[in-house]
Amino acid sequence: EAGVVQSPRYKIIEKKQPVAFWCNPISGHNTLYWYRQNLGQGPELLIRYENEEAVDDSQLPKDRFSAERLKGVDSTLKIQPAELGDSAVYLCASSPGTFQETQYFGPGTRLLVL
Amino acid sequence: KNQVEQSPQSLIILEGKNCTLQCNYTVSPFSNLRWYKQDTGRGPVSLTIMTFSENTKSNGRYTATLDADTKQSSLHITASQLSDSASYICVVRGEYGNKLVFGAGTILRVKS
Repeated sequence: EAGVVQSPRYKIIEKKQPVAFWCNPISGHNTLYWYRQNLGQGPELLIRYENEEAVDDSQLPKDRFSAERLKGVDSTLKIQPAELGDSAVYLCASSPGTFQETQYFGPGTRLLVL
Repeated sequence: KNQVEQSPQSLIILEGKNCTLQCNYTVSPFSNLRWYKQDTGRGPVSLTIMTFSENTKSNGRYTATLDADTKQSSLHITASQLSDSASYICVVRGEYGNKLVFGAGTILRVKS
């Protein structure tokens, strides 16, 4: 079974530039999560989707971050414009159903903003 | 405020030795606690999950314990191997909602 796929794996951009990350969850998983993980810290939830609906985006900085999950499968997380403090690893995870507890994480996208 | 604190922050041990990682939490009411292993450059992978009524759970050389009264958990690694080098993250789920509270992790390095 293929795991959660993320791309790109690494991204280096200059501040004020836009950037987008892509996630393909495990087939059949209805719930998708985007996390941000700063160096030496645990992941912090940015947004959670159940199918195509964003059910928890309370921690998403909406002035510069946006996300979408069209058709309830793949998802894209965008930052525009990026700031130096956005440098982090962005993790995508998926789980089978609404209240299923095991989250399966992708390898993450490591973003460096210069 | 719901928090999860892990100790030590980092640990270096020799191959073959045992070690124990600690997790203290204030999440209440409590639903379950999970330990994840995160290899460098990879996403976290679940090792164990324990609910309120469970006080120990094993997965191979990994044994997790839970004391729900004192809100403490530990992860014991037996006969460590080089491949155990990773960050170990304690994650607690509250009883209401689907939010998880992540600890900062303990970075373990196993040396030969």
